[in-house]
Order: sequence, then C-alpha cells, then structure tokens
Amino acid sequence: NAGVMQNPRHLVRRRGQEARLRCSPMKGHSHVYWYRQLPEEGLKFMVYLQKENIIDESGMPKERFSAEFPKEGPSILRIQQVVRGDSAAYFCASSPVAGNGNTEAFFGQGTRLTVV
Amino acid sequence: AQTVTQSQPEMSVQEAETVTLSCTYDTSESDYYLFWYKQPPSRQMILVIRQEAYKQQNATENRFSVNFQKAAKSFSLKISDSQLGDAAMYFCAYGAFGTASKLTFGTGTRLQVTL
Repeated sequence: NAGVMQNPRHLVRRRGQEARLRCSPMKGHSHVYWYRQLPEEGLKFMVYLQKENIIDESGMPKERFSAEFPKEGPSILRIQQVVRGDSAAYFCASSPVAGNGNTEAFFGQGTRLTVV
Repeated sequence: AQTVTQSQPEMSVQEAETVTLSCTYDTSESDYYLFWYKQPPSRQMILVIRQEAYKQQNATENRFSVNFQKAAKSFSLKISDSQLGDAAMYFCAYGAFGTASKLTFGTGTRLQVTL
C-alpha cells in the first residue's frame, strides 16, 4: 500500500507563473489536507477536501490559491501568478475518515516550491 | 483560535541519555487530541505519539512518552535512551475533536544527538 504521493518533490517557478502541486492520497483515503511550511516554521493548515468537495478552506489565502479533489485523480493545489513569498514546502495529508484523532493522518513528503 | 507554543528552538542530547521537549497550547475546548511529529531531513512527517485529552493516562510508544498536564495545557515529549536516528525537527500539534486532522502546529524544536 503506497503512502501519500506528492509530485513533484521540487518545483521551480518564475514570478508570475503558475504552480500545480499534486497529491495522491493513500488507497482508500477520501479526505485530503494541504499544509504549507515556510522556512524555519511549523506547518500551517490551508484546506481540507473530500472527493469533489471543499470542506474547510479557512487557511487558504484569498487570492491566487485554489484546491480541488476530483472524483478521479489526485488532489491539486494550484497557485496562480506566484510570488517569492510563496516559496515554501507544501504538504499533503490523507485520512480514511474525517480525522477524529483515532485515525492517523498520513503525510506525503512534500513539494518544495521555489519562486525565482 | 488554538495556539501551540514550543519554546525550545534547539535541544541537544547525548546518545543513550534522556531528553524532554516542551510544548504548551491554548484552547477553550475540553475534548481534543495532541500529537508529536518528527521531521527528519527527508522532510517526511512521521507521527511519534498521540494523546487523547479525555485520557488521563500518559501515552507511551517504546522510548517515547509524554507528560500531559491538561490543567496546565502542557504536553511534553520525553525521549529515553536517545539514538542518533532521533535527530530531527520535532513538532507538537493540536487537533480539535472531530476534525483532528486539521492540525495546529508549533514552530518546532530541532533535536541534535551527540556521541
């Protein structure tokens, strides 16, 4: 059973370009969470999705950021018109049910986005 | 809003010794979950141990144990018989009851293990 797969591991974008980050949850997991980790900081929650639904996007910046988790395929975090401040590691986690603490959320290895 | 504070940016321990990492949190909830995650240089987030707030007994996983003081809102991690492979960033995290995978993380403690 493969773990949470994120790709790419590293992504370099020029200012103004778009970044698309992909997350394939563990098999059987229908809940996906995206986090952002700025340098020397902890992870910050961005968005929580179930298949075809955004459940909680309270941590998402209001502009340029969007996320989806289609019925088929991976979850996508999309950042439009990237700026240098978007440089960070973006982590995806998945769980089989709405995390109630008794079910572990498994993390991917993250995508490190560098904006030049 | 919940907050998690880790006041030790860096800690060092000798191999085979014991080290304690501190964590405090703030919440108005009575039911919640607390976690310690390890992040080695590979960046992989690895769950070390979790504690349910309604359980008075401190969680233990092999060489890792916690001291959970609910009234003081304190949740420290004790690593016994430290090994070189324990060197990593350690993050304390809070999860609300019912949405525990939406985690609030502290800023982390970098643990060095020396010979």
